[in-house]
Amino acid sequence: AQSVTQLDSQVPVFEEAPVELRCNYSSSVSVYLFWYVQYPNQGLQLLLKYLSGSTLVESINGFEAEFNKSQTSFHLRKPSVHISDTAEYFCAVSESGGTSYGKLTFGQGTILTVHP
Amino acid sequence: DAGVTQSPTHLIKTRGQQVTLRCSPKSGHDTVSWYQQALGQGPQFIFQYYEEEERQRGNFPDRFSGHQFPNYSSELNVNALLLGDSALYLCASSLATGTYGYTFGSGTRLTVV
Repeated sequence: AQSVTQLDSQVPVFEEAPVELRCNYSSSVSVYLFWYVQYPNQGLQLLLKYLSGSTLVESINGFEAEFNKSQTSFHLRKPSVHISDTAEYFCAVSESGGTSYGKLTFGQGTILTVHP
Repeated sequence: DAGVTQSPTHLIKTRGQQVTLRCSPKSGHDTVSWYQQALGQGPQFIFQYYEEEERQRGNFPDRFSGHQFPNYSSELNVNALLLGDSALYLCASSLATGTYGYTFGSGTRLTVV
């Protein structure tokens, strides 16, 4: 079984400042890792994912996350945030194979609030 | 191209009643997963359907059941509703052979009173 811990429930930040949303996971098998974003009254949108290969993955809107296997972490970063980045962000993990393939386990979420 | 469509968007039910939620997957997708998202929590996996069969199930009681139709659309049924079933129910579709291209719907907000 897997578990995900998002270390901060809320992160306030000023516009154009850098931000890091922290995510740690626990699993006894190899995993795939994801970050999803949820805007108010909407479903989840995939921000980025790590399946294999380079441990640094990037999204089209400037976010990046680095898979650190030794620290079992997948922190999300952005060097300069915008007001429009205000949303709730979820880290998720899934087994890379086996009987639980396709099941996503989510963290509790981090609410990012960008202030002008 | 329509994404995942869920209906209804909001629903209020009384304890003990039964409810059916519906999901139409994104065009071309053949697998549907359901998640429950309680207020202030992350989504929790309920079950996944592929080829009209339940392929995986999370830690939810038998009161939660589902169905997938030949056109890949899906239903989530919850019997004997409890106050604790109040949540946002999310449907996600994907390709069974894809590399985690999940598309989520906007969800159905269920309130049990």
